[in-house]
Amino acid sequence: EAGVAQSPRYKIIEKRQSVAFWCNPISGHATLYWYQQILGQGPKLLIQFQNNGVVDDSQLPKDRFSAERLKGVDSTLKIQPAKLEDSAVYLCASSQIRGRDGSYEQYFGPGTRLTVT
Amino acid sequence: RKEVEQDPGPFNVPEGATVAFNCTYSNSASQSFFWYRQDCRKEPKLLMSVYSSGNEDGRFTAQLNRASQYISLLIRDSKLSDSATYLCAAPEGYSTLTFGKGTMLLVSP
Repeated sequence: EAGVAQSPRYKIIEKRQSVAFWCNPISGHATLYWYQQILGQGPKLLIQFQNNGVVDDSQLPKDRFSAERLKGVDSTLKIQPAKLEDSAVYLCASSQIRGRDGSYEQYFGPGTRLTVT
Repeated sequence: RKEVEQDPGPFNVPEGATVAFNCTYSNSASQSFFWYRQDCRKEPKLLMSVYSSGNEDGRFTAQLNRASQYISLLIRDSKLSDSATYLCAAPEGYSTLTFGKGTMLLVSP
């Protein structure tokens, strides 16, 4: 089974520039997540999609970050304009709700390492 | 948001040792929990799921203590390859997880 795919793997941009990341989840996984992971921290949820609808975007800085999942499969996350503090790894994960109590094991892609200079 | 707390470590142990990490959570309604392993500059990989009282997989045992609201991960007979950061995750709302900052384990020869 193919895993979560992400691109690009690395990106270096200057502050105030824009950048976009792409994610393709595991086939059949209805739920897709974007996380931001700063060095030394755990992943922090930015946005969660269920099919093509947003479930949770409460921690997404909406003045500069946007995300979409138009056809309910792959997704893009955009930052415009980027700030120095956006330097982090952006992880995409997907899940298929299952388990005894509806638990939701998430599977991560390799991430995009963003450096803002 | 609900909090998930972990001791950042690092835990330095020799090969063959037994080591345990704890993770405390604040959402008393949580039903299932997860341990992820993250190698340096890699993505988190699911290690174990924890339901009801606990789970065991080879050298790894996860326990859940609902009264004190913590889960633990026990690693027996540590291997060099176990060196990694171990992330704890607890449910937050509908199919959302909150992650701790992780505990770093270093296993030395």
